[in-house]
Amino acid sequence: EIVMTQSPATLSVSPGERATLSCRAGQSIGNFLAWYQQKPGQTPRLLISGASTRATGIPVRFSGSGSGTEFTLTISSLQSEDFAFYYCQQYYVWPYTFGQGTKVEIK
Amino acid sequence: EVQMVQSGAEVREPGDSLKISCKGSGYSFTNYWIGWVRQMPGKGLEWMGIINPRDSDIKYSPSFEGQVTISVDKSISTAYLQWSSLRDSDTATYYCARHDLPRQCSSISCPWGSWFDPWGQGTLVTVSS
Repeated sequence: EIVMTQSPATLSVSPGERATLSCRAGQSIGNFLAWYQQKPGQTPRLLISGASTRATGIPVRFSGSGSGTEFTLTISSLQSEDFAFYYCQQYYVWPYTFGQGTKVEIK
Repeated sequence: EVQMVQSGAEVREPGDSLKISCKGSGYSFTNYWIGWVRQMPGKGLEWMGIINPRDSDIKYSPSFEGQVTISVDKSISTAYLQWSSLRDSDTATYYCARHDLPRQCSSISCPWGSWFDPWGQGTLVTVSS
């Protein structure tokens, strides 16, 4: 099983600032990585697939990068609706595994 | 609009059986796999398994194999997750989601996996005596 490690656990950011979230895979997964956003009490929403491809309807302020074992989700200018939990998921191999999540909170 | 609509919240006692559902609409149901994901209270996401509605081929996560049963009724575009004997530790929200695997994939072999999109609204299962 591939372990996915996200950092930091909590990120405190002011509205309008840039947020950078990291996800590390325990072994190389190519670009087979997805990012999801989950607001409290809501269902997860796909943001990014293939490490860098935005899903339909996702604002351009969300961008993904990386390959192999190191990946980054960047939110260029945080809006109020972006404060949420973010999870990465590898789909290179079964069993799929998720990171433990990063909480982005208002500073 | 593609939608995954799940059955409502359930409260059960330990040892009870339970079957929850997930209905897909707005797309060709048999062209996409369906996945199930668990989220325990205050915790992260855990992949449970996936099913191909076309032929009911199933791939379970090792962590959940033998603990739950995934099934599908393609005639009504609905997938299911069931337990034969619930435990307190099964208390969680369970999500279904559409899953787009390459056509050549089966539970035996698949060149690569896929993401989950969209997700159902979740079914909260509470197990308590």
